[in-house]
Amino acid sequence: DADVTQTPRNRITKTGKRIMLECSQTKGHDRMYWYRQDPGLGLRLIYYSFDVKDINKGEISDGYSVSRQAQAKFSLSLESAIPNQTALYFCATSDPAGVTDTQYFGPGTRLTVL
Amino acid sequence: AQSVTQPDIHITVSEGASLELRCNYSYGATPYLFWYVQSPGQGLQLLLKYFSGDTLVQGIKGFEAEFKRSQSSFNLRKPSVHWSDAAEYFCAVGLYGGATNKLIFGTGTLLAVQP
Repeated sequence: DADVTQTPRNRITKTGKRIMLECSQTKGHDRMYWYRQDPGLGLRLIYYSFDVKDINKGEISDGYSVSRQAQAKFSLSLESAIPNQTALYFCATSDPAGVTDTQYFGPGTRLTVL
Repeated sequence: AQSVTQPDIHITVSEGASLELRCNYSYGATPYLFWYVQSPGQGLQLLLKYFSGDTLVQGIKGFEAEFKRSQSSFNLRKPSVHWSDAAEYFCAVGLYGGATNKLIFGTGTLLAVQP
């Protein structure tokens, strides 16, 4: 079984709809992240969470919100989806090893907003 | 500002040929550097990472990367490419300290492998 899972894997929705993307992990990591990937832009950080009570904005948080329901679950919501939120979304986890840590990624959710 | 540049958007090599993917970073402190690979329809898999010590880092799948501080580079290499190496490769720099824990990614290099 995969250590980091994302549901759904693909989603097509309409402008204005509320969408939730879910991420679950069995790695036991405290830190979780949401990124979006756009062609030619690489991955950009939306939100990250160091533990259940600690949530931080990334570089492109506008239009998104998150919920850390438990150590193993981190959800990303689009309250009112718009077409330029069409992208590939990745969840990642990490467990700090001293000063630094390494992030491990889920398989991604491809979201299309019409 | 911190940034990562991957100058080559797309590279095509023949199977069995050597490969070098370029990565340059801009970061004032000691960089923590990563290479990830994304196969079609898959998530990102960590190939290797550099935190300190030996500047030549070995990774999975026969890849290696060399950190050159004087050139602000962390190029990925493989002596003999296999068809299964066709994928997109991302270089990233890690920013750590206090409440900061981020990866800054380059825009990626798409590798095609010719038979």
